Amino acid sequence: DAGITQSPRHKVTETGTPVTLRCHQTENHRYMYWYRQDPGHGLRLIHYSYGVKDTDKGEVSDGYSVSRSKTEDFLLTLESATSSQTSVYFCAISESRRFDEQYFGPGTRLTVT
Amino acid sequence: GNSVTQMEGPVTLSEEAFLTINCTYTATGYPSLFWYVQYPGEGLQLLLKATKADDKGSNKGFEATYRKETTSFHLEKGSVQVSDSAVYFCALSNFGNEKLTFGTGTRLTIIP
Repeated sequence: DAGITQSPRHKVTETGTPVTLRCHQTENHRYMYWYRQDPGHGLRLIHYSYGVKDTDKGEVSDGYSVSRSKTEDFLLTLESATSSQTSVYFCAISESRRFDEQYFGPGTRLTVT
Repeated sequence: GNSVTQMEGPVTLSEEAFLTINCTYTATGYPSLFWYVQYPGEGLQLLLKATKADDKGSNKGFEATYRKETTSFHLEKGSVQVSDSAVYFCALSNFGNEKLTFGTGTRLTIIP
């Protein structure tokens, strides 16, 4: 199994508070991604990174920011959490440019009350 | 843009039944196609892939053939097991477009 961990695994927070989710990899893969998974929507890309300090937006990036200061860590921040951001968040990594094969972390279940 | 449409679930089958989960796509050029599987409480895992027309991906008894003429990549298995119960996602990626586009997922339940 690819070495990807996510923390925390579960979090409950209140509307308006900032939240940071962490993804850590031990594979030294160049590309890292954050997705959210919601019923009826499958997985939707929030942000991705193609190297240290190199990030770009996905299809549902509003209200989220990311940072990557080291190859192994990719942080997702909800600047001011809203109930619509209640979801399961997955981090993924890949080695190649073509998204040829992505390895997923175990997920973080976030509830915003 | 790219899109993936897969059959609505949930799908419930008896053990040893034949499985087909339909997937069709819209994309320009020559995308790569994937099936991912998500077991309860876990992240997604790559099940199989195909990178060009007429390629057949296979793994763990599952198969899917890349059909460019019908823009399809249907997942099949000849005899399902209870352990195959999971959510299955069809996905595609396209050269120059650095995104995986996922279908909405199909929940499969196998009953003994």
